[in-house]
Amino acid sequence: GAGVSQSPSNKVTEKGKDVELRCDPISGHTALYWYRQSLGQGLEFLIYFQGNSAPDKSGLPSDRFSAERTGGSVSTLTIQRTQQEDSAVYLCASSLEQGRIQYFGAGTRLSVL
Amino acid sequence: DQQVKQNSPSLSVQEGRISILNCDYTNSMFDYFLWYKKYPAEGPTFLISISSIKDKNEDGRFTVFLNKSAKHLSLHIVPSQPGDSAVYFCAAMNNNNDMRFGAGTRLTVKP
Repeated sequence: GAGVSQSPSNKVTEKGKDVELRCDPISGHTALYWYRQSLGQGLEFLIYFQGNSAPDKSGLPSDRFSAERTGGSVSTLTIQRTQQEDSAVYLCASSLEQGRIQYFGAGTRLSVL
Repeated sequence: DQQVKQNSPSLSVQEGRISILNCDYTNSMFDYFLWYKKYPAEGPTFLISISSIKDKNEDGRFTVFLNKSAKHLSLHIVPSQPGDSAVYFCAAMNNNNDMRFGAGTRLTVKP
């Protein structure tokens, strides 16, 4: 597709369950970012992938959060043992290798009951 | 860590008038600044940016001003239109492409 694609658009889960969120970046973009936006807050950086380099995981809030990027394209953000405070919109963005402009998907709204 | 701050959560202006959105940052390592616009249920979309070597960048109705000594930037929209109503996020990057966002300002342009 032409833009960053995220799925699902909405996810409702029970506390303690694991969830997987998917991001398909723009073709040719080597950099991929995950952010989350909690209610009334700005975008909080989670993790950054650049090509084949080791990802920058400095923004992950706990060890329940992890992300993979397979084949340098699609990325999956996994949250284990979800908690109510994990409820947020999770946004993915991609950019060219040296690009400074990030292009965002529409996000996944996660609700943990 | 609140490295990028947008102290006004909301702003309301009349159609045709100027909208001024403000942003402050604390990290002097930031060298590139961006404004994103976000409609409900959509991801943020890039609007305009400025490098730290400049103090002004203009694109149609949108102008971004950067005051490095004050660590302050602003977005001017003139004339404002009802379609500009959205949440505007200020973002700042360092040379590692680490980007930090402000909390956003909700702009409402009244017809």
